[in-house]
Amino acid sequence: DAGVIQSPRHEVTEMGQEVTLRCKPISGHDYLFWYRQTMMRGLELLIYFNNNVPIDDSGMPEDRFSAKMPNASFSTLKIQPSEPRDSAVYFCASSGQNQPQHFGDGTRLSIL
Amino acid sequence: GENVEQHPSTLSVQEGDSAVIKCTYSDSASNYFPWYKQELGKRPQLIIDIRSNVGEKKDQRIAVTLNKTAKHFSLHITETQPEDSAVYFCAAFLFGGYNKLIFGAGTRLAVHP
Repeated sequence: DAGVIQSPRHEVTEMGQEVTLRCKPISGHDYLFWYRQTMMRGLELLIYFNNNVPIDDSGMPEDRFSAKMPNASFSTLKIQPSEPRDSAVYFCASSGQNQPQHFGDGTRLSIL
Repeated sequence: GENVEQHPSTLSVQEGDSAVIKCTYSDSASNYFPWYKQELGKRPQLIIDIRSNVGEKKDQRIAVTLNKTAKHFSLHITETQPEDSAVYFCAAFLFGGYNKLIFGAGTRLAVHP
């Protein structure tokens, strides 16, 4: 089992640029979650999907953030335009029904 | 909705001592309580979990207890070692719901040699 795979592991870009984070969930898992982690706000749930359908996006901070899950093995989180306050570690996690979540290694995002 | 409170926010112990982290939850319907350990610069990893039909669960030096009446659950680490140093997160979850975990704010545990 390869686990949840995220890319890139690190991203440094200038404010105003578009940022795309990618996630491949564990095969067979039908839930996918995007989290953001900062020192100030801890671990925040941004959005999650069930069978590729967004269930709850109430954690998405603003319209600059969007997420898609075009198929069961791939999801993206986009920030456009990016701002310095978006700097954080972004985690993707997946789970089966009534199963614990397993996290990817995260993407450390720095917006200059 | 569910709310999970976690205490203490930081905990410092000597190697070999025990460490206890406590959490409370608000939604009595929650029925699954995992604990995650996050080492510096790494991902949260599931270390132990408990379901609401069980009062206690052990795995070597780690144990979790659950008091459904009081809506409390706790993580106990015995004979702590320096490699136990990490941030620990409790969470609450409703099986049969939408798999949405509600996390506590985390406890930073430091084990000093």
